[in-house]
Amino acid sequence: DIQMTQSPSSLSASVGDRVTITCQASQDINNYLNWYQQKPGKAPKVLIYDASNLERGVPSRFSGSGSGTDFTFTISSLQPEDIATYYCQQYDNLPSVTFGQGTRLEIK
Amino acid sequence: QVQLQESGPGLVKPSQTLSLTCTVSGDSIGSGGYYWSWIRQHPGKGLEWIGYIYYSGSTSYNPSLKSRVTISVDTSKNQLSLRLSSVTAADTAVYYCARGLLRWDYWGQGTLVTVSS
Repeated sequence: DIQMTQSPSSLSASVGDRVTITCQASQDINNYLNWYQQKPGKAPKVLIYDASNLERGVPSRFSGSGSGTDFTFTISSLQPEDIATYYCQQYDNLPSVTFGQGTRLEIK
Repeated sequence: QVQLQESGPGLVKPSQTLSLTCTVSGDSIGSGGYYWSWIRQHPGKGLEWIGYIYYSGSTSYNPSLKSRVTISVDTSKNQLSLRLSSVTAADTAVYYCARGLLRWDYWGQGTLVTVSS
């Protein structure tokens, strides 16, 4: 199985800060990586697909980059509504689809 | 507006079979435009993909659950179903249905299933 290592596991930042989360795959997954946002008590919501493509309707302050084994998710200017847990998800090794362990983002 | 709604028992006894249904509105499973998936989340934990199905009945399952999982589809009712046999406490989770194969753009609100005697 491909393991996805996400860091940090938790993060505290101020409104307006630039926030970065990383995800490392245990082997090359090309750009087959998505990023999700999950707010408490809610289903996840896809923000970024294929590593760097912004899902329709998602604010442009969210972005993703990377390829191969190393990926980055960025919020350019943190907003209060961005408080959530963020997950990366790889789909290079179908049918085995795996997620990172999540990053809990809090407001400082 | 695509909506998905999970339904089924919230409590299942150990060794029994967990059965859930997902009713889809705003899209037609039988149109063949998308795959449809089940994903679960253990309490306070991360996400685990269970499997997916196409309208034709073609399926793929998480290898770690494959021996216990069956996903089926009823296009006449626009529903997909999940059966997980021989459950244990480790199967206690929120179960989601979602639209998609490689990424999931619409999700149900999730249903908590507790395995306990």
